[in-house]
Amino acid sequence: DAGVIQSPRHEVTEMGQEVTLRCKPISGHDYLFWYRQTMMRGLELLIYFNNNVPIDDSGMPEDRFSAKMPNASFSTLKIQPSEPRDSAVYFCASSIRSYEQYFGPGTRLTVT
Amino acid sequence: GQQLNQSPQSMFIQEGEDVSMNCTSSSIFNTWLWYKQEPGEGPVLLIALYKAGELTSNGRLTAQFGITRKDSFLNISASIPSDVGIYFCAGRGRKGGSEKLVFGKGMKLTVNP
Repeated sequence: DAGVIQSPRHEVTEMGQEVTLRCKPISGHDYLFWYRQTMMRGLELLIYFNNNVPIDDSGMPEDRFSAKMPNASFSTLKIQPSEPRDSAVYFCASSIRSYEQYFGPGTRLTVT
Repeated sequence: GQQLNQSPQSMFIQEGEDVSMNCTSSSIFNTWLWYKQEPGEGPVLLIALYKAGELTSNGRLTAQFGITRKDSFLNISASIPSDVGIYFCAGRGRKGGSEKLVFGKGMKLTVNP
């Protein structure tokens, strides 16, 4: 079975530009999580969905960040406008109703 | 909020040696997970623990859920070069049915051949 798929794997953009990260969860999984990883702060949960509905977005840093899940097989994380401090690796993970979250390969975002 | 303390932060060992790492929490967890992350990749689930006192093995890896529910450890026996990576613990607390995991800061393992 295919794992969690993320695109793009790398994104380089200029400050002020809009960035959209994409995720396809494992088929049949009903939970989807977005994380950000940095050296300073480690892995941070940004938001998670259950059955396409956002459940907890308390980790979203500010209004510049938004996430959607229009259907069970697709989610986006958007940053608008992007800032250099948003540079990080962003992971998507999915799970069936358990705590065994399976991670995608991540998107490395660099904002210059 | 809930926090996990993972120690040590890094280890340098010789191939063939055993290695042990642990995680502690200031609050009770009812699930412990151990992940491994290699450069440029996402964390990969190694072992999941759901019961206090549970001891689970996955090949050369053994993990235990502490009986106090506030700690867990992971052992790797007879290390090999491909064990290199960052090992993370993650826990889920008892509050309100949340699916949120709390992650430790990771332990970077280097294995010298």
